[in-house]
Order: sequence, then C-alpha cells, then structure tokens
Amino acid sequence: NAGVTQTPKFQVLKTGQSMTLQCAQDMNHEYMSWYRQDPGMGLRLIHYSVGAGITDQGEVPNGYNVSRSTTEDFPLRLLSAAPSQTSVYFCASSLQGDGDTQYFGPGTRLTVL
Amino acid sequence: EDKVVQSPLSLVVHEGDTVTLNCSYEVTNFRSLLWYKQEKKAPTFLFMLTSSGIEKKSGRLSSILDKKELFSILNITATQTGDSAVYLCAVEAVKYGNKLVFGAGTILRVKS
Repeated sequence: NAGVTQTPKFQVLKTGQSMTLQCAQDMNHEYMSWYRQDPGMGLRLIHYSVGAGITDQGEVPNGYNVSRSTTEDFPLRLLSAAPSQTSVYFCASSLQGDGDTQYFGPGTRLTVL
Repeated sequence: EDKVVQSPLSLVVHEGDTVTLNCSYEVTNFRSLLWYKQEKKAPTFLFMLTSSGIEKKSGRLSSILDKKELFSILNITATQTGDSAVYLCAVEAVKYGNKLVFGAGTILRVKS
C-alpha cells in the first residue's frame, strides 16, 4: 500500500491564483480530512469527509473547497489564493475516524506571494 | 471553543535527561487524547489515552491522562538525539465528526 499520498510537495502561487492540492489513499478508508499547520498554531482542521459524497467544514474552512467523488480521493481547492493561506497542508485518512488509526500524508508546503 | 494548550513551547536538553511535556485541554464531548511525534514530515502516532490514571508506555516514552484536571503529560526518559522533534497533543472531540483538535506543539531538541 502507498498509504496517503499528496501532490505537489511544494507550490508557490501568486495572490488570486487557484489550485488544487491532491490527496489519495489506497487503504479503503472512509474518513479523510485536511489540516493546515502554521508555526505556533499546531494543526487545524479545514474540511473533512466521512465517506464518498459527504463533506463537512472543520475549524478553518474559509477560502477552501473540497469534494469526495470517490473513496480514494479528497482534493482541496483554493479558488483565489491569499497570502494568509501560506502554510503546510496535511491530508489524513482513517478507517472510522478514530485518532489512533489516522494516517497522515507527507504534506504540501504552499507559499502564496 | 475547543482548545488544546501545550507547554513548554520549546526546550533544549542533553542526552540522558528526562523531559516532561504538558498538554491541557478544554473541549466539549471529549473522546480521547492523543500524542504524536513530528520530525519535519507527517505526524506519527504515539499514544491514545481515554481513561484517567492509566499510564501508557512504549519504551522510554510514557503518558498519562487526568480527566478531572483536564491535562496529560508525556514523559521521555534517557533522551536521545533521535527524540528531537515536535510533539503534538490532540484531542478527539465529538464535534467535527470525531476529528482532532491539535495543540501548537512542543519543540524538543536533544543535544549530544
């Protein structure tokens, strides 16, 4: 199993540009989520999904969209990037949403100029 | 608002020292508290605690939860340079579909 994969690893955007961060898992996990990690603030939940076709907002959803058309994929879209979205983004998945079985992807470091 | 606070924010110790990392929380509908280790990449799971007073142990690392006082500690004995990392505390709260609320982390540096 590849586990949780994320692409790209690094990205630089200009303010106002749009892009999609990709996340995929091959463990047949129902739960997937996106976090952002900023210095001094830990990881904060952006959006999550409890299964294909179902998504919901987390703690900091503004400026981000998600969709879950398949069990495997959970892309995160930035419609109009802002400097405040400069961060490291982690995707995670778990079988049933339990914290001890949550697998994290390697992260995407995003810089918005 | 759910909140997880870790202390200290950072510390530097020498190999062989024992360290104690603290995590306090205020969350509604607490389910569990978790510790992760992060070394310049994705967090890796260390412990999950659900009951007060029951110590979880793995090698030189141990952790305990106090649900009355709403805190947990992570102890690392005989520290090694490989223990240098950010240690994250997270609380699983039944608010965002059982997702995790993280603290800011404690940066630990072990000098040889």
